[in-house]
Amino acid sequence: KAGVTQTPRYLIKTRGQQVTLSCSPISGHRSVSWYQQTPGQGLQFLFEYFSETQRNKGNFPGRFSGRQFSNSRSEMNVSTLELGDSALYLCASSLAPAGTEAFFGQGTRLTVV
Amino acid sequence: AQSVTQLGSHVSVSEGALVLLRCNYSSSVPPYLFWYVQYPNQGLQLLLKYTSAATLVKGINGFEAEFKKSETSFHLTKPSAHMSDAAEYFCAVTWDANSGYALNFGKGTSLLVTP
Repeated sequence: KAGVTQTPRYLIKTRGQQVTLSCSPISGHRSVSWYQQTPGQGLQFLFEYFSETQRNKGNFPGRFSGRQFSNSRSEMNVSTLELGDSALYLCASSLAPAGTEAFFGQGTRLTVV
Repeated sequence: AQSVTQLGSHVSVSEGALVLLRCNYSSSVPPYLFWYVQYPNQGLQLLLKYTSAATLVKGINGFEAEFKKSETSFHLTKPSAHMSDAAEYFCAVTWDANSGYALNFGKGTSLLVTP
């Protein structure tokens, strides 16, 4: 069974640009969540989608947005990139709400120059 | 705010020695607790999870953790460290499912295993 797939794996963008990251969850998983990982702040929750609805959102500015499609695939978008947005962005999928584990993709390494 | 605290950002053990990585949570209601491992340039892999079925939880690769409500702890242990255990370990917690699935992670503990 295929795992969580994130594309692209690596990305270099310039300040002020926008970027879209993609996540394909494990087949049958309807919950997709996103996390930002940086050396200084660690792993921080961005948002979670379930059946195309955003159910939960972390403490990030409005430049960070996401969506989920009917096939459960998800995208996150970051507009007006800042140097501080450089991070590893991880996507996770799960079958159901709390109590079941989240399965993580390998992440997208975003570098903003 | 609901959170987890991992004591010790770096832990070093000798190969064959006991591994003990500490995690404490703050919560007034029973949480769901997880330990994840991350190898360089990789995503997170679940080691084990606590969901109130049993206080002693066994995971993959010989790891286990014990949920102690009185101490609000969920420490990760392994009797004998292998070189391949060197990685970053994260404790995570989640609570109310109805408001959406979100994991709160600790800052992580980097485990170094020396020969």
